[in-house]
Amino acid sequence: DVKVTQSSRYLVKRTGEKVFLECVQDMDHENMFWYRQDPGLGLRLIYFSYDVKMKEKGDIPEGYSVSREKKERFSLILESASTNQTSMYLCASSRLAVRTNTQYFGPGTRLTVL
Amino acid sequence: AQTVTQSQPEMSVQEAETVTLSCTYDTSESDYYLFWYKQPPSRQMILVIRQEAYKQQNATENRFSVNFQKAAKSFSLKISDSQLGDAAMYFCAYRSYNNNDMRFGAGTRLTVKP
Repeated sequence: DVKVTQSSRYLVKRTGEKVFLECVQDMDHENMFWYRQDPGLGLRLIYFSYDVKMKEKGDIPEGYSVSREKKERFSLILESASTNQTSMYLCASSRLAVRTNTQYFGPGTRLTVL
Repeated sequence: AQTVTQSQPEMSVQEAETVTLSCTYDTSESDYYLFWYKQPPSRQMILVIRQEAYKQQNATENRFSVNFQKAAKSFSLKISDSQLGDAAMYFCAYRSYNNNDMRFGAGTRLTVKP
């Protein structure tokens, strides 16, 4: 079974703090993704990465950065957390080959910024 | 940019009955993939079913089937013999044929009544 894990299920941070969300996958997938899930908006792509040290902006990258130093790990960084970043964050991974690359999701991190 | 619309924020169905969730999308592309994902309460998002646009035959996975109408840009999910475990948020998603970017609808929350 594909396994995508995220470092925390629930996280509470204060405005202005630097926040790290970690994602690890064990299937040797090339692609990794960070989404934000908000009620009524579905999932919106923040960043994705198709290789180590490579990253591409998604639809809503503002206020976020990412790091991929190892193939299995993809980190989402909130440099200075704000209350409007309170949300559910989902990580996903998939194979590089576009014809077969179903995305597999982690359990999510519910982040609250006070 | 492609958009995905799920017009039913909430649906309910009686156990053992059949329910259909609607999804429409907007695209100018001819080749693409469509997906239905299920997100049970407090659990991981999992793939329910996928459809390649070039295939005319509707995809089926056990009790789950789709009605793919390419000309109408419609991709509905039918759940037969509904079970309590089908209660979840369901997301429709679109992916272009040659890239990794997925577009999600806002989701439909399905309640199954015993």
